Amino acid sequence: EDQVTQSPEALRLQEGESSSLNCSYTVSGLRGLFWYRQDPGKGPEFLFTLYSAGEEKEKERLKATLTKKESFLHITAPKPEDSATYLCAVQASATGFQKLVFGTGTRLLVSP
Amino acid sequence: GAVVSQHPSRVICKSGTSVKIECRSLDFQATTMFWYRQFPKQSLMLMATSNEGSKATYEQGVEKDKFLINHASLTLSTLTVTSAHPEDSSFYICSASGAPESEQYFGPGTRLTVT
Repeated sequence: EDQVTQSPEALRLQEGESSSLNCSYTVSGLRGLFWYRQDPGKGPEFLFTLYSAGEEKEKERLKATLTKKESFLHITAPKPEDSATYLCAVQASATGFQKLVFGTGTRLLVSP
Repeated sequence: GAVVSQHPSRVICKSGTSVKIECRSLDFQATTMFWYRQFPKQSLMLMATSNEGSKATYEQGVEKDKFLINHASLTLSTLTVTSAHPEDSSFYICSASGAPESEQYFGPGTRLTVT
């Protein structure tokens, strides 16, 4: 069974304090790994897609990396507006076309 | 680009009634739409996948007669919760994808409360 585990469950940072969020996965053939940001009471907002080990993508203060077992979302010098829940999801070859399996997310709080 | 809307954003209904939620892709044609539900502080759970013009594919444990999904066009899918009960209260989110293996873009969600 495809599984996605995110850690930590919650993370509190001071503004400017860089850190990383972890997404560990076990899937039967990874088609793609996705990162989303979700604000309270809103739908997830797409951030990145990673397809193969060694791939990296950046967007402003965020950088996502991928290995064969996990992905990291690095946040450099975060600002209070980066506070949100960050969701990781995998798309696996064996679970049906386009189906996403989500982790439970990391709730990030950045204090000024 | 890639904007998905949902209507209504919030709905309160009485137990035993039905409620319809609309999901629209505003600036692209969505060949596939997905419906999720999310409980507080939990992750998104896929309920069903629908392709335009085809019957929806439901995930194990999701009652297809209770959660009716229609994907009549490339820009509109609807979810109807029939004979709603308080345990159906949840946050329902749709997503849309324009092509195989492309990203899913999510709507803002609909908060359903059944009294």
